[in-house]
Amino acid sequence: EPEVTQTPSHQVTQMGQEVILRCVPISNHLYFYWYRQILGQKVEFLVSFYNNEISEKSEIFDDQFSVERPDGSNFTLKIRSTKLEDSAMYFCASSGDVAGYTFGSGTRLTVV
Amino acid sequence: AQKITQTQPGMFVQEKEAVTLDCTYDTSDPSYGLFWYKQPSSGEMIFLIYQGSYDQQNATEGRYSLNFQKARKSANLVISASQLGDSAMYFCAMRNVMDTGRRALTFGSGTRLQVQP
Repeated sequence: EPEVTQTPSHQVTQMGQEVILRCVPISNHLYFYWYRQILGQKVEFLVSFYNNEISEKSEIFDDQFSVERPDGSNFTLKIRSTKLEDSAMYFCASSGDVAGYTFGSGTRLTVV
Repeated sequence: AQKITQTQPGMFVQEKEAVTLDCTYDTSDPSYGLFWYKQPSSGEMIFLIYQGSYDQQNATEGRYSLNFQKARKSANLVISASQLGDSAMYFCAMRNVMDTGRRALTFGSGTRLQVQP
């Protein structure tokens, strides 16, 4: 069964450093997303991406965040200057049709 | 704006019994989709079941069924014959399905289910 692949599974970074989280969506999906889940809390939408541009973003997705699809397969989330409160599980997802919304296994980001 | 409410922070069920996890929602969109995801302790989000707002019948997937009551704006998940492996966090979520520019999922706060032997 097709899956969304995320790397790394766990990343520890110093406060103020830049991090890039990587995702390989399902190949025939056209919509890509990033979500985050702070430990013990609900899953929150960050951004969606379609046709090489951002189609929707939440208030969380401020100037510190950016997304890119550098080639035909990867989809990345960059956090420019990490803060302690950026520590969370970050999920990539992709979708094709209405019901087909698949999540990756997540990257646990720890900012120290 | 869309809102999902899960009022049960935690639930216990005996192995082999059925359990219902509650989910109510609020939206002004005429067409929407409702999802349930399972999140085991390992952290991944596993898709369980989907219900479209215009689907005439309640969705079923194996031991999972969705009790969809549109007038009451509820989309409860029913797990039949609970297994120890069902112990996990369960999230209800929804999204707009007509506006291609709005595909974000809105999640509830989740229900932690523990299946007891």
